[in-house]
Amino acid sequence: NAGVTQTPKFRVLKTGQSMTLLCAQDMNHEYMYWYRQDPGMGLRLIHYSVGEGTTAKGEVPDGYNVSRLKKQNFLLGLESAAPSQTSVYFCASTDRINQPQHFGDGTRLSIL
Amino acid sequence: KQEVTQIPAALSVPEGENLVLNCSFTDSAIYNLQWFRQDPGKGLTSLLLIQSSQREQTSGRLNASLDKSSGRSTLYIAASQPGDSATYLCAVLRSSGDKLTFGTGTRLAVRP
Repeated sequence: NAGVTQTPKFRVLKTGQSMTLLCAQDMNHEYMYWYRQDPGMGLRLIHYSVGEGTTAKGEVPDGYNVSRLKKQNFLLGLESAAPSQTSVYFCASTDRINQPQHFGDGTRLSIL
Repeated sequence: KQEVTQIPAALSVPEGENLVLNCSFTDSAIYNLQWFRQDPGKGLTSLLLIQSSQREQTSGRLNASLDKSSGRSTLYIAASQPGDSATYLCAVLRSSGDKLTFGTGTRLAVRP
């Protein structure tokens, strides 16, 4: 049972480059989330989705875009990477909002 | 804006001790409160979820309480073990159900 899988696990980018982070869940969950975790700041919500074809902004959405074309996948895109986007990115999913969120192991992204 | 504070930021105890981790939040209009565990380099694992109408939840050696009116929750760990060493995160889901706000965590080390 894979749960939530994030790809890639590590990546180094140069300022201005673009990339897409992939999150895949095999639990048929409706809700999916992208967070970033920075030292001393806790996890902050970037974007989320309440079902296939839907997306919504979270707390820190600027500089990121998302898509949920298939129920099991939630993609996070960085159009023009900036050093301030150096962080650990976590994807999570849940079946209902009153149930715990299940997290992937994270993507460690460095922007030089 | 919801703010979640966890005290202490770090804790070191000898094996076998009972311990309490604290979490406070500023807005009592919450849907639920969740406690997570995070091991180094890994994602978050859900430990306990307390609905806003509940006072406590128990799982094995873990017991979490919620006092919504005072904006406080505690995580009690009985008979601590070295395997309990990790960072423990508290998070509150606001009443609209769309945003989970995290604390910055308590880093626990249990010495053999």
